[in-house]
Amino acid sequence: EVQLVESGGGLVQPGGSLRLSCAASGFTFSDHYMDWVRQAPGKGLEWVGRARNKANSHTTEYATSVKGRFTISRDDSKNSLYLQMNSLKTEDTAVYYCARVDSNFYFDYWGQGTLVTVSS
Amino acid sequence: DIQMTQSPSSLSASVGDRVTITCRASQGVRNDLGWFQQKPGKAPKRLIYAASSLQSGVPSRFSGSGSGTEFTLTISSLQPEDFATYYCLQRNSYPVTFGGGTKVEI
Repeated sequence: EVQLVESGGGLVQPGGSLRLSCAASGFTFSDHYMDWVRQAPGKGLEWVGRARNKANSHTTEYATSVKGRFTISRDDSKNSLYLQMNSLKTEDTAVYYCARVDSNFYFDYWGQGTLVTVSS
Repeated sequence: DIQMTQSPSSLSASVGDRVTITCRASQGVRNDLGWFQQKPGKAPKRLIYAASSLQSGVPSRFSGSGSGTEFTLTISSLQPEDFATYYCLQRNSYPVTFGGGTKVEI
């Protein structure tokens, strides 16, 4: 059974940093692209970024709103995806989901999400 | 960035109604479009991918159509469990972008 479990959310001050983790199980993690998607309270979904698989050298893509502040990485030996968030802004407050990307390049499995609150 | 515009942003419907949601892309995305359903407090669930391919396990009352810049999600006969928010997503080019969502209410 595919499982994705996010952790690391919490309260952080504007300008601060936070690192989220996503622990994956039930599939060959190294074969899949993995994404982060977020959802501000009461708002819609926003794609954050992508880490490609081992075959594509773990290269990354980012949303315009987070480029230069957020970094996605992965450790295939630990079946884990990470999101390093720096220079956080109040508008980064959201539930952050990790999602697996399937062979059609759409999300097929999601985690339960972890809440990040940026506030003074 | 490609902008995805969904309409309507919300709608009220009854059980048994036929419901159509539209998603327009600011530039052509071929058929690189998916539809997701989200219920309160839950992660999204994929319904449709490649504009018209039904995700395994999703009821056949859901269907998708379109190509290029205009797409539709149709629920042929609305069921109680279908009251949710629906999002389109384009994956034709980076950054991946979602529509703003359509809330389907009773």
